[in-house]
Amino acid sequence: QSALTQPPSASGSPGQTVTISCTGTRRDVGDYNYVSWYQQYPGQAPKLMIYEVTKRPSGVPDRFSGSKSGNTASLTVSGLQAEDEADYYCSAYAGANNLYVFGTGTKVSVL
Amino acid sequence: QVQLVESGGGVVQPGRSLRLSCAASGFAFSSHGMHWVRQAPGKGLEWVAFIWYDVSNKYYADSVRGRFTISRDNSMNTLYLQMNSLRAEDTAVYYCARDLAPVVTSIDTWGQGTLVTVSS
Repeated sequence: QSALTQPPSASGSPGQTVTISCTGTRRDVGDYNYVSWYQQYPGQAPKLMIYEVTKRPSGVPDRFSGSKSGNTASLTVSGLQAEDEADYYCSAYAGANNLYVFGTGTKVSVL
Repeated sequence: QVQLVESGGGVVQPGRSLRLSCAASGFAFSSHGMHWVRQAPGKGLEWVAFIWYDVSNKYYADSVRGRFTISRDNSMNTLYLQMNSLRAEDTAVYYCARDLAPVVTSIDTWGQGTLVTVSS
């Protein structure tokens, strides 16, 4: 059960666009459309931002969007705001044997 | 509103046992699969275990298989995690989390977490 690979950090100035990658294998990200993204502030529980690759839960700003190409999923944050500074984790369904896997996490900084 | 409240965390010696509970409210508990996820201090998220809505299937991470047992009581809207043979590396905040579906798809709701510290 290897974690999905994310860059340790990403940054941008207010108003800019930041994209975070999440690389897995054909057995998780590649084969299934159950990729999710979570935002976590220090000392708090994670919050769902994107599910099933591209879907946004009610209440999540449309500045957040998801996509997938092959074994790599991506989270894009457009119009970056100070409140977007947080840790972001991807996750994916990995089949009946390994079931569920998280990414290594990316710390997003707003410069 | 949807709420998950964990309890049962604390300090425990290596090799001992602990049982975590998660009280669910505000939704049809018996219609959702449920996860346990943990986060060691300063580290990332690690999926621990999952149980189907009807208890018929359970799944575990390799790191806890054979030591941890996930269970649920749909009549009491409660999820459990029995943790045996605890190790120092099990020290983490343990989150109870709801899946969107009866079986595994995506986690959509998290509890606030309960801290488990394994130390002599």
